[in-house]
Amino acid sequence: RKEVEQDPGPFNVPEGATVAFNCTYSNSASQSFFWYRQDCRKEPKLLMSVYSSGNEDGRFTAQLNRASQYISLLIRDSKLSDSATYLCVVSSYNQGGKLIFGQGTELSVKP
Amino acid sequence: DTGVSQDPRHKITKRGQNVTFRCDPISEHNRLYWYRQTLGQGPEFLTYFQNEAQLEKSRLLSDRFSAERPKGSFSTLEIQRTEQGDSAMYLCASSRGGAQGTEAFFGQGTRLTVV
Repeated sequence: RKEVEQDPGPFNVPEGATVAFNCTYSNSASQSFFWYRQDCRKEPKLLMSVYSSGNEDGRFTAQLNRASQYISLLIRDSKLSDSATYLCVVSSYNQGGKLIFGQGTELSVKP
Repeated sequence: DTGVSQDPRHKITKRGQNVTFRCDPISEHNRLYWYRQTLGQGPEFLTYFQNEAQLEKSRLLSDRFSAERPKGSFSTLEIQRTEQGDSAMYLCASSRGGAQGTEAFFGQGTRLTVV
């Protein structure tokens, strides 16, 4: 079982749609969680950290469920510019805090 | 520009040659990561450093790969006797570090093609 697993993509949605990505992690000692965005042939860029209480940044909402060991990312009112691959990242204290990436979920927003 | 810098951006090499990549992290960051990424996959962990100490090297990594961070600043990743399977994007990232795992910032990567 992979340490971090994401919904397989791609997700193809129309502009204005709401889309949700899920990510599960296997290490119960995980304590830091992030979502990164990666455009084609570019480096990953931090989208947002994920806090225990959940957090929102404009159209983006991240949630954490420690009991079920998953995190989610919700994108409302999708824009063409949201088209990218979204990477779930987990860090665990018992692994020295190294960052482990999921395989990514590709989103394509169509006009 | 005070972001993470990687050099070279692209490298084409013949099978069997050695290659070395350099990464300059954000100056106040004490943690530095190397990842490898192939098309359609997420970044795969290779190794990481806390200051000059190499904390872990992926068990998936062959002995042909070695990394250093001699003064706790820049880092180099060397691949000896390259193989076609080594073709990938090699990404470096840095963070403020610590076992709690803070967010990391990436360089633009070095794209390696082994022919």
